Amino acid sequence: DAGVTQSPTHLIKTRGQHVTLRCSPISGHKSVSWYQQVLGQGPQFIFQYYEKEERGRGNFPDRFSARQFPNYSSELNVNALLLGDSALYLCASSFRTVIETQYFGPGTRLLVL
Amino acid sequence: QQQVKQSPQSLIVQKGGIPIINCAYENTAFDYFPWYQQFPGKGPALLIAIRPDVSEKKEGRFTISFNKSAKQFSLHIMDSQPGDSATYFCAARGETSGSRLTFGEGTQLTVNP
Repeated sequence: DAGVTQSPTHLIKTRGQHVTLRCSPISGHKSVSWYQQVLGQGPQFIFQYYEKEERGRGNFPDRFSARQFPNYSSELNVNALLLGDSALYLCASSFRTVIETQYFGPGTRLLVL
Repeated sequence: QQQVKQSPQSLIVQKGGIPIINCAYENTAFDYFPWYQQFPGKGPALLIAIRPDVSEKKEGRFTISFNKSAKQFSLHIMDSQPGDSATYFCAARGETSGSRLTFGEGTQLTVNP
């Protein structure tokens, strides 16, 4: 069975550019969450989407945005990239929003130069 | 604001030893406490989780001990193996926060042969 998939696996951008990261949840899962993991730290919550609606947002600037598509896949967009945006971006899916196991993808490693 | 504090940052044990990783939380609204294991280049994978209505939970070689009054919980790994070498994260979630997980900063465990 396919787990959570993310693309691309690695990405290099320069300051000021824009980036789009993609996530496909486990088949049947309707909730997708995004996390940022800076090297040496635990993941930090960015967004949660359920049934194509935003259900939660972490303490991140408006440069970060996301959306969920009818097939429950999701995109995370980051505008005006800063050096500090360099991190592993993780996507997690679960069947619903309430307390259930979240399954994480392998992440997208973003390097901003 | 750091809401889940994890210690130690790193831990080295011999094969067969019992590493113990500790976490403390502040938010009394948290009511679900999972532990995740992360290998280099991979996303976090759920190991074991506990609710505050029980003081201990075992799954295979992994045990969570929970002290609600002290707002602390810990992970014990019995008969540790070199394959257990990874980074371990504790996390917490409140019922009203949807799928949002608040992670600790992680513990890098090395199990020597």
